[in-house]
Amino acid sequence: AQSVTQLGSHVSVSEGALVLLRCNYSSSVPPYLFWYVQYPNQGLQLLLKYTSAATLVKGINDFEAEFKKSETSFHLTKPSAHMSDAAEYFCALNAGNMLTFGGGTRLMVKP
Amino acid sequence: SQTIHQWPATLVQPVGSPLSLECTVEGTSNPNLYWYRQAAGRGLQLLFYSVGIGQISSEVPQNLSASRPQDRQFILSSKKLLLSDSGFYLCAWSVAGSTQYFGPGTRLTVL
Repeated sequence: AQSVTQLGSHVSVSEGALVLLRCNYSSSVPPYLFWYVQYPNQGLQLLLKYTSAATLVKGINDFEAEFKKSETSFHLTKPSAHMSDAAEYFCALNAGNMLTFGGGTRLMVKP
Repeated sequence: SQTIHQWPATLVQPVGSPLSLECTVEGTSNPNLYWYRQAAGRGLQLLFYSVGIGQISSEVPQNLSASRPQDRQFILSSKKLLLSDSGFYLCAWSVAGSTQYFGPGTRLTVL
């Protein structure tokens, strides 16, 4: 069975500070992993994806994530938070035709 | 390029009324199609998915149904809405079960 756990349903950072959103997964097969961002009343937008190539994946808006098999993790980072990064972030794992989502992390950015 | 449309964007319906939400995809053929729901304070719940015309799989038993009358059209319906059907409904597509791309969503309020 596959599962995704996002540690911290709410994360607050100051503008300019490092953003770290945590994601751990469980999968019986080599996973494809994704991070999506959702702004209020909008659909999910793909930030980045890991598909078994490079373990460090760069995405849009300076976000990146590192796949660590030994830690079963796929944490999302950004060096410097902007006010516009305030949104909900979802980690997801591909299992066949299906995505298994984590519960989401709401990122708040303080001025 | 591929685009996905959902309408209406917002809908307010009385309890017991019917529902029809539509999703269409452009720029791709034979996509997998998905309906998700986000209820307030909850994560993403997969409702239905389809791998082809007339092929619908239900993930959660409820008073909703889905149909796929054309290759790139996916419809979510209900004969009688319940208060608990309120939420944000998202349609998504993928090719060969890989990355899912989401539509803008429909906000449904049942009163």
